[in-house]
Amino acid sequence: DTGVSQDPRHKITKRGQNVTFRCDPISEHNRLYWYRQTLGQGPEFLTYFQNEAQLEKSRLLSDRFSAERPKGSFSTLEIQRTEQGDSAMYLCASSLDGGAGFSSGNTIYFGEGSWLTVV
Amino acid sequence: AQTVTQSQPEMSVQEAETVTLSCTYDTSENNYYLFWYKQPPSRQMILVIRQEAYKQQNATENRFSVNFQKAAKSFSLKISDSQLGDTAMYFCAFMKHGGAGGTSYGKLTFGQGTILTVHP
Repeated sequence: DTGVSQDPRHKITKRGQNVTFRCDPISEHNRLYWYRQTLGQGPEFLTYFQNEAQLEKSRLLSDRFSAERPKGSFSTLEIQRTEQGDSAMYLCASSLDGGAGFSSGNTIYFGEGSWLTVV
Repeated sequence: AQTVTQSQPEMSVQEAETVTLSCTYDTSENNYYLFWYKQPPSRQMILVIRQEAYKQQNATENRFSVNFQKAAKSFSLKISDSQLGDTAMYFCAFMKHGGAGGTSYGKLTFGQGTILTVHP
């Protein structure tokens, strides 16, 4: 399967623990996005990368959240000192798009998401 | 900032019938894209249809078509000949084009979603 893959698919953790999610985008895609989705709501943008550069971070991304894409391929999203409010599905997505500063509206492909439950 | 509003939390339709899902948005941008995504239960989100704001012609994709009214900032999705496999949450989404005078890296702004159930 050559789609966007995420791991783990489900994670239950105790409050205060750290968790890390991994995303492998479609191989030739230069853009990678992280979104958060709570039950019954639409996804909310967290951050994105153009190759290895993290170009924008949402205000939703507190200091406890950090994302990396070290070689412009896979990405990790780490949440430190988890809180119950962090319980959500974390979606990764990728796309192939053109130069900096604009979008051609090319299709963004989503992974199946990583469900996080903080107890 | 852009906002996307889907005013129908839930819709239902009989198999083979037609249903229309509503979406309105607010933006000061002139160049942008609009999308409908489908998210089946416990499955990944997939693109249903896409519309470029500078195109007056409404996009169609097999049984799916849109009614894009730029002045009214309305973007509805029509599903014809509904099938059981169409049962899903449907999200309307906005992406600005960026370019001269602004930047965009393809960030999507989603509505709250509409749960569509197709009954046999």
